[in-house]
Amino acid sequence: AQSVTQLDSHVSVSEGTPVLLRCNYSSSYSPSLFWYVQHPNKGLQLLLKYTSAATLVKGINGFEAEFKKSETSFHLTKPSAHMSDAAEYFCVVSHFSGTYKYIFGTGTRLKVLA
Amino acid sequence: KAGVTQTPRYLIKTRGQQVTLSCSPISGHRSVSWYQQTPGQGLQFLFEYFSETQRNKGNFPGRFSGRQFSNSRSEMNVSTLELGDSALYLCASSPVNSGTDDGYTFGSGTRLTVV
Repeated sequence: AQSVTQLDSHVSVSEGTPVLLRCNYSSSYSPSLFWYVQHPNKGLQLLLKYTSAATLVKGINGFEAEFKKSETSFHLTKPSAHMSDAAEYFCVVSHFSGTYKYIFGTGTRLKVLA
Repeated sequence: KAGVTQTPRYLIKTRGQQVTLSCSPISGHRSVSWYQQTPGQGLQFLFEYFSETQRNKGNFPGRFSGRQFSNSRSEMNVSTLELGDSALYLCASSPVNSGTDDGYTFGSGTRLTVV
C-alpha cells in the first residue's frame, strides 16, 4: 500500500535561512513523487516532481528535492527562504494501477519570519 | 494557455439546499479530479472523470455526484447540504496517460459555506 508522511505540521524559519520540509513515503511500486504549494485561498501549484529520472529534482522558485530510495524520503529544500514562501506544502505519492492514483500528505505550513 | 477554471469562487448555501460547481480543465486535458479540502480532514479525493466516465471514486456519500461533458468540462453536485460540507472544493486536470505521470494542475477552488 502507498502512503506519505509529512513529518512536521508547522515549520518556522527566518528570512534568508534554509528551508527543509520533510516527507517520507511508502510504496510497493516505483513511485512518482510531487511537491505542491498552496497559498491562502488558492489552489495547489506544482513545485516539482520525481518520475524515476534524476534523483535530485529542481523545481520552481529555487526549491529542490532529493529522492532517497534507501531512506524512502523526498525532502524539500531551499537555500534561502523568502517571505513569499510562506504557504502550505503538500508531498504527494502516486502510482499507476490502470490509472494514476494520488495520495496527499497532511501538509506542512511554512512560516517565514522577518 | 489558460489554466483550470472553477466557478463560482465563493458560494453560501443553506442546509438542505443543493449546489453545483463547475470546472473547465486545461485544453487537451481529459482527466478531471475533484477534491474536498477542510482544516480537519485535509485533502480528500472525491472522484475522477475521464472521457465522460467516472474512473475512480472516493469515500463520500451518494449526495456527492459529478459528471463530465464531451468537452471535458466537469460539474460536481452536492444535494441536501450539511454544515460539514463547508469546504474548499478543488478541481484538478491532467493530460491523457502518456506513460509518464505529469501530476495535476489545480484550479483556485470554490469556497462553499453552508449555513
